[in-house]
Amino acid sequence: EVHLLESGGGLVQPGGSLTLSCAASGFTFSTSAMSWVRQAPGKGLEWVSGINGNAGTTYYAGSVKGRFTISRDNSKNKLYLQMNSLRGDDTAVYYCAPCSGGSFHRFDYWGQGTLVTVSS
Amino acid sequence: QSVLTQPPSVSAAPGQRVAISCSGGSSNIENSYVSWYRQLPGTTPKLLIYETNKRPAGIPDRFSGSKSGTSATLGITGLQTGDEADYYCATWDSSLNAGVFGGGTKLTVL
Repeated sequence: EVHLLESGGGLVQPGGSLTLSCAASGFTFSTSAMSWVRQAPGKGLEWVSGINGNAGTTYYAGSVKGRFTISRDNSKNKLYLQMNSLRGDDTAVYYCAPCSGGSFHRFDYWGQGTLVTVSS
Repeated sequence: QSVLTQPPSVSAAPGQRVAISCSGGSSNIENSYVSWYRQLPGTTPKLLIYETNKRPAGIPDRFSGSKSGTSATLGITGLQTGDEADYYCATWDSSLNAGVFGGGTKLTVL
């Protein structure tokens, strides 16, 4: 059974930093591309970032490029999202998801998410 | 403002059919597969359609996907009150080099 557990969310001041983690199990993590998707309160889904299985290639939404960094540790089955220069519009629930079939928009499994609140 | 445009809301009566559109461009929908998700209130999204017109195991054939040019459509037949939810399309944009979601469509079953 696929299990995804996001952690690391919380309250942070504008301009601050936060690192999210996602512990994955139940599938071959090291060969699976992964993505982060977020959802602001009362708003729609927004794709944030993706990384291929060997971490050789990363992708970012324009809204986070240059501020967020996606990474992974295949030895620990963990995915990360380092978030810097946080802004109010980064407030959202952040989900990690394996990219089924290598597609960065096909997500068969979702974690429960971790809430990031950017506020002073 | 998403690069994929969905109607904010659609409605139909129980038992009827509804179509939810997702309009994009040549850098996304026209040259990429499309995925569709349903999000019931207070829950995580659920994949309904992948590779434009395929259903994951367990998704009933009441749900269908299609694409023509730069637009994709999710069709739902035999509407039930339990289908009331937000629906999202998603694809890859080769110009942005990023995944993209539509803004979402709220389905009301009257």
